[in-house]
Amino acid sequence: KAGVTQTPRYLIKTRGQQVTLSCSPISGHRSVSWYQQTPGQGLQFLFEYFSETQRNKGNFPGRFSGRQFSNSRSEMNVSTLELGDSALYLCASSFWTGARYQETQYFGPGTRLLVL
Amino acid sequence: AQKITQTQPGMFVQEKEAVTLDCTYDTSDQSYGLFWYKQPSSGEMIFLIYQGSYDEQNATEGRYSLNFQKARKSANLVISASQLGDSAMYFCAMLPNQAGTALIFGKGTTLSVSS
Repeated sequence: KAGVTQTPRYLIKTRGQQVTLSCSPISGHRSVSWYQQTPGQGLQFLFEYFSETQRNKGNFPGRFSGRQFSNSRSEMNVSTLELGDSALYLCASSFWTGARYQETQYFGPGTRLLVL
Repeated sequence: AQKITQTQPGMFVQEKEAVTLDCTYDTSDQSYGLFWYKQPSSGEMIFLIYQGSYDEQNATEGRYSLNFQKARKSANLVISASQLGDSAMYFCAMLPNQAGTALIFGKGTTLSVSS
């Protein structure tokens, strides 16, 4: 079974631009979560989508948004990029088990975003 | 507050030795999951092992085992027979049982394996 894929793997943008990152979950997984990882803040949760609905959102400004399509693929968008948005963006998918605490999240390789 | 604490910023071990990476957690929930992930320098977060709060046996996956001590709220990862390829950052994480909650990560431990 193919793992979680993320595109692009690397991205360089300038301040003020916007960016869209894509994530394809493992086949059969309906939940997709996004995380931002920086050396200073560590891993921070952005949002989670399940069956095309945002199920949870972290503490990030409205410039960060996402969506999920009917095939469970997800995109996240960052508008008006700032230097501090430079980070590794990780996507994870999980299979609904009926018990949240048993849902193992499988991560993709990440997208490294550099904002200049 | 729900929290994961990893107190070892870095650990050094020689090949073929066993190593224990510490993790303590704080939660008032009865149902929760504990996870360990490995992150090599490439960046991908690789799932290693899972322990549910109701599991009475310690989880094992190949060379990885999780030493689960519920009363002490600890979930240490034991890697037996370390290999050079084990050099990476290791994260302990917890998932509460509420729908829509996110993984709570520790700050990680960098493991360096030398020959």
